Amino acid sequence: DTEVTQTPKHLVMGMTNKKSLKCEQHMGHRAMYWYKQKAKKPPELMFVYSYEKLSINESVPSRFSPECPNSSLLNLHLHALQPEDSALYLCASSQEGRTRNEKLFFGSGTQLSVL
Amino acid sequence: AQSVTQLDSHVSVSEGTPVLLRCNYSSSYSPSLFWYVQHPNKGLQLLLKYTSAATLVKGINGFEAEFKKSETSFHLTKPSAHMSDAAEYFCVVSDQGTALIFGKGTTLSVSS
Repeated sequence: DTEVTQTPKHLVMGMTNKKSLKCEQHMGHRAMYWYKQKAKKPPELMFVYSYEKLSINESVPSRFSPECPNSSLLNLHLHALQPEDSALYLCASSQEGRTRNEKLFFGSGTQLSVL
Repeated sequence: AQSVTQLDSHVSVSEGTPVLLRCNYSSSYSPSLFWYVQHPNKGLQLLLKYTSAATLVKGINGFEAEFKKSETSFHLTKPSAHMSDAAEYFCVVSDQGTALIFGKGTTLSVSS
C-alpha cells in the first residue's frame, strides 16, 4: 500500500464553522506533512510531524490546528477560517522526515472552499 | 539560501515530439533535486530525484533529468510526449534540513 488517503475530497464551510481534514497512511512512515496549495501555485508547507511530534510550524495562523494521534493519522482542525483560506490542502508522508533525500508521497488533497 | 527557478511557466508540444522543461537552482551545498508532477485535481507524484549519485537520472513514465553542476541546471526531458503527460511539473530542491523548496511550476500542454 503506497497510498496517502485524504478525506473529505471536497469541503465547503462557513467562516463560523469548525471542521477537520483527515489524512491516513499505512506505509510505516514516521513523518507527515500538511501543505496548502492555491490555484496555479506551488504547494506551501504548513506543518511537519516527525515521530508524532510537531517539528515544523511555518508560522501558520492559529485558526489551523494540526494533530497527529498516531504515526498513521494526521488531522487538520479548522476554525473561524477566512475566504482567503480557500485552497487545496495536501497531506504527504515520508520515511522519517530527518533527511533531505526523502521521497514524499502525497494524497490527492481536500479542496476547501470558505464562504 | 537555496532557490529554484523554472524558466518556462508554460510549454506546449505535439504528441510524439520531445519534451524539455527547464530548471535552474541555487545552492550553497550539494543539493538534492526532485521533479514532481501534478495532474488536475490530484496530489503530487515523484517523477525522479537526484542525490549525488549518477548525474543522469531516469524516472517514471520515460522521463529523465540531467544534473549539470557547472550550469546549476536540472532540466527534465522525455523523447516523445504522450497526451497523458499534460500536467503541472514542479522542480524542487531540498533545503539543508528537510524542507522542500518548490519552483513555481511549468504547465505542460500536449496537442494531438
